[in-house]
Amino acid sequence: GAVVSQHPSWVICKSGTSVKIECRSLDFQATTMFWYRQFPKQSLMLMATSNEGSKATYEQGVEKDKFLINHASLTLSTLTVTSAHPEDSSFYICSARLGTGGASGANVLTFGAGSRLTVL
Amino acid sequence: QKEVEQDPGPLSVPEGAIVSLNCTYSNSAFQYFMWYRQYSRKGPELLMYTYSSGNKEDGRFTAQVDKSSKYISLFIRDSQPSDSATYLCAMSYTGTASKLTFGTGTRLQVTL
Repeated sequence: GAVVSQHPSWVICKSGTSVKIECRSLDFQATTMFWYRQFPKQSLMLMATSNEGSKATYEQGVEKDKFLINHASLTLSTLTVTSAHPEDSSFYICSARLGTGGASGANVLTFGAGSRLTVL
Repeated sequence: QKEVEQDPGPLSVPEGAIVSLNCTYSNSAFQYFMWYRQYSRKGPELLMYTYSSGNKEDGRFTAQVDKSSKYISLFIRDSQPSDSATYLCAMSYTGTASKLTFGTGTRLQVTL
């Protein structure tokens, strides 16, 4: 089945530094990827939609200058948390669409394993 | 009122029990219905999805969608301790621009 690989799985950084998280679709092409954030014991919150070859679409309230998204190829999207602060500490998860339409699962997402960011 | 309602639990059952997890929703335009399992500190894992209505079975798991009642269920037969996790329901419309709407997740604990 479709697999999404995310790296790193865990990162600790100092306040003020930037951290890049990679999301790769293995064995399939993903023109669209999604970045979520999850706080402890809460559900997933969509941050942005990453589109290959174009600018990402950010959800209301998400700072696009803080969370830079680049989708340079059909298999790779990156999320860079710039000038990270302790309040940015969270679990970040990327995902990609499973299929292309109808019953094949166009709007079903498969998720990466997540990246836990801790900002000191 | 949230678009998708899900009891957060926790739900504790003995090993071997049949587990019933449920979500209700308010938007009749939803067409995709998904169940994800999430272990602690891991990303959600897709268990099953249903397009439109009906039932779907995969091993010990059965997903049911009742669009007339706006109610979906996930049944787990012969539950195992390894099934202990948070189960998230999610829904979306047709159309590739549609985003997923998640339930809050139900935490399940299967005890020995």
